[in-house]
Amino acid sequence: AQRVTQPEKLLSVFKGAPVELKCNYSYSGSPELFWYVQYSRQRLQLLLRHISRESIKGFTADLNKGETSFHLKKPFAQEEDSAMYYCALSGLSGGSNYKLTFGKGTLLTVNP
Amino acid sequence: DAMVIQNPRYQVTQFGKPVTLSCSQTLNHNVMYWYQQKSSQAPKLLFHYYDKDFNNEADTPDNFQSRRPNTSFCFLDIRSPGLGDAAMYLCATGVSRSYGYTFGSGTRLTVV
Repeated sequence: AQRVTQPEKLLSVFKGAPVELKCNYSYSGSPELFWYVQYSRQRLQLLLRHISRESIKGFTADLNKGETSFHLKKPFAQEEDSAMYYCALSGLSGGSNYKLTFGKGTLLTVNP
Repeated sequence: DAMVIQNPRYQVTQFGKPVTLSCSQTLNHNVMYWYQQKSSQAPKLLFHYYDKDFNNEADTPDNFQSRRPNTSFCFLDIRSPGLGDAAMYLCATGVSRSYGYTFGSGTRLTVV
């Protein structure tokens, strides 16, 4: 079974402050992890893939297999970062197919 | 450019009256997914197709069925909608485990 846990339902920070959205996972195999973002009234969009080791909109996320975590970080939050953030894991769904399992999401609010 | 298109954006149906939601894609992705998202909850996978290979999640209600007549189109049929089926239904496409998914804007289903 695969599971993704985002312990914070809501996170509020001030503009310019660092932000960290926590994500922990449970999966017996080799995980592929993602962060998705949903801005108000917009579709769910891919933000980061752990395999790419990229920085998008100033956000980074590092896979820590020892702690089974994939926390999303940004050193200086901006008001336009306010959105719902979902952590997701791609794991085997029986046979050789994969499926994406989402955490419950963290609503980030960046205050001016 | 909308690459995963869901129609309609909003759908109101009567209790027990069959309803079909549609999804089309211009990406030529071989994998298509249907997710159900209820208010303040994570998206929950209902079905996915690897090409024509259909995969049904174990806890997807029997009331829900899906069709994929070709690569571009996928349909979600709800045979006898109940009040508990009111939700946002998300369609997504993908090509590989590491690539990440592309989501449509969703169809919000209301059951009256």
